[in-house]
Amino acid sequence: GAGVSQSPSNKVTEKGKDVELRCDPISGHTALYWYRQSLGQGLEFLIYFQGNSAPDKSGLPSDRFSAERTGGSVSTLTIQRTQQEDSAVYLCASSLEGGTGELFFGEGSRLTVL
Amino acid sequence: KNEVEQSPQNLTAQEGEFITINCSYSVGISALHWLQQHPGGGIVSLFMLSSGKKKHGRLIATINIQEKHSSLHITASHPRDSAVYICAVRSRSNYQLIWGAGTKLIIKP
Repeated sequence: GAGVSQSPSNKVTEKGKDVELRCDPISGHTALYWYRQSLGQGLEFLIYFQGNSAPDKSGLPSDRFSAERTGGSVSTLTIQRTQQEDSAVYLCASSLEGGTGELFFGEGSRLTVL
Repeated sequence: KNEVEQSPQNLTAQEGEFITINCSYSVGISALHWLQQHPGGGIVSLFMLSSGKKKHGRLIATINIQEKHSSLHITASHPRDSAVYICAVRSRSNYQLIWGAGTKLIIKP
């Protein structure tokens, strides 16, 4: 596709359920970031993938959060046993390898945990 | 002290005014990004700079590497420019992004 695609755009789930959020970056972009943004707040870094290097997971808030990137392209962020405080917009961004590329953001996945 | 500082935090101006938003950083960088986020909207990349100056329409971004400072200017501001403007730098050491807290801009008609 022409841009970064995220799905679902909206997800409402019950506390304790697992959710998966998907990010399809721009073709050829080897750097991929996951962020989350709570209402009225700034961006909170979650995880960073760069090519075949080990991902930087330093932003994941707990072991309930995990992410993988298959084949250097699509990434899935998984939240297990969701809590109400996980409610936020989860944003994915990609850029070209080398860290010098322009950032392109997806529209985000809005997660609401009831 | 945050590694990326933006000022002002909030800015309200009248339509037509010249707007300046500042970003100072303390780390070595490979690039600096300016991004825009409208209320309830997605994030759009405005500029990526590693040196000098870039212009796109009414927007101008400058960077001074020696002083570790960048500015985003908006000429002839318009209410549709109302948004949060975010500065982010790419660390030279690990290519990780470090984000400023954002500047909330309101342009009144």
